[in-house]
Amino acid sequence: EAQVTQNPRYLITVTGKKLTVTCSQNMNHEYMSWYRQDPGLGLRQIYYSMNVEVTDKGDVPEGYKVSRKEKRNFPLILESPSPNQTSLYFCASSLGRNREQYFGPGTRLTVT
Amino acid sequence: QKEVEQDPGPLSVPEGAIVSLNCTYSNSAFQYFMWYRQYSRKGPELLMYTYSSGNKEDGRFTAQVDKSSKYISLFIRDSQPSDSATYLCAMIGRDYGGSQGNLIFGKGTKLSVKP
Repeated sequence: EAQVTQNPRYLITVTGKKLTVTCSQNMNHEYMSWYRQDPGLGLRQIYYSMNVEVTDKGDVPEGYKVSRKEKRNFPLILESPSPNQTSLYFCASSLGRNREQYFGPGTRLTVT
Repeated sequence: QKEVEQDPGPLSVPEGAIVSLNCTYSNSAFQYFMWYRQYSRKGPELLMYTYSSGNKEDGRFTAQVDKSSKYISLFIRDSQPSDSATYLCAMIGRDYGGSQGNLIFGKGTKLSVKP
């Protein structure tokens, strides 16, 4: 089944404790992206990757890092999480930047 | 003015009604337009994808793009309770760089279809 998977689905952590949210797709898509979704603000892009080893900032990249060492994986790293990073995070992939994106199930992160 | 404006609703309609969902945008560089449906606690799923102006129909769903007015619509005919979800418009430009380089989402309209 073609899909985007994310882990963990739910995470509660404390301020400053480094964490990684994994994202994997099995559709051989070149383009991958991370979004956060907040009430009243909608979906906002954090980082995206056009291909392996090619990443760039989206609209809200502060406090996040990404890497793309393999085509299928695009982890999101929070080196020192803060409470304002409490949000619902989605990974997405597509054949290209302006093609339809397929979303993962989401990761609900709470930073206390 | 925000790049993409979408009425958040909520919108409540009886089963069988025709639903009209709309977005307006300000950046004339947007050329690809999408509608996503998001059920509660799920990721968005693509409903419709259109390029430039015109209509596109898929079953009970019709997407309409009017680039001259910077206005896009999604029509749902014979609405069903299973259509109850949040509907997100999204758009992106053709070229890299600048604000049209990323996929920009509306904030979503919450739709409830009552049996």
